[in-house]
Amino acid sequence: KQEVTQIPAALSVPEGENLVLNCSFTDSAIYNLQWFRQDPGKGLTSLLLIQSSQREQTSGRLNASLDKSSGRSTLYIAASQPGDSATYLCAVLAGGTSYGKLTFGQGTILTVHP
Amino acid sequence: DGGITQSPKYLFRKEGQNVTLSCEQNLNHDAMYWYRQDPGQGLRLIYYSQIVNDFQKGDIAEGYSVSREKKESFPLTVTSAQKNPTAFYLCASMLGRGAEAFFGQGTRLTVV
Repeated sequence: KQEVTQIPAALSVPEGENLVLNCSFTDSAIYNLQWFRQDPGKGLTSLLLIQSSQREQTSGRLNASLDKSSGRSTLYIAASQPGDSATYLCAVLAGGTSYGKLTFGQGTILTVHP
Repeated sequence: DGGITQSPKYLFRKEGQNVTLSCEQNLNHDAMYWYRQDPGQGLRLIYYSQIVNDFQKGDIAEGYSVSREKKESFPLTVTSAQKNPTAFYLCASMLGRGAEAFFGQGTRLTVV
């Protein structure tokens, strides 16, 4: 069974800092990995999608990397802003015989204070 | 205006009653998913469907049922067998193999 773990569970930083969120998964037979943002009481917003054949994806101040063989992904946020405060979740899409199963980590709660 | 619509936004249920949560998408996506989220927790997979008339159990399917009679609709029924149904329920869809997943705004179910 795929297990997805996110570290740290919570992070509080001053505005302007660069920060890294971590995601690890136990089964490397994945199709892709996706990072999401969730605001309180809301649905999820997709941030970045990395296919299993890719090493990284970038969107604005966000950069996500994927090391499939070691079962790790990182989300790098540059020059953090108070508006970045939210819960960040990673999810892996299973390949192989479990294709289609989308498994989430527990999330990292990020607070950026002015 | 394309997207995923979950209804209702808030739902109250008496103990012992079944209740059905609606999820509709007009994105022409093949795959659809149901998740449950408890306070301070990540998302746990209830059921998913890759194609019409086919679906698979997720990690916490007990006490839930689904149907996929139409491509655009994937309703979730929370039955009286679900011991602790109070939670935030999220529906998602995906175009196909390896595509990006999109989420609805969720339904908050409370058992009273």
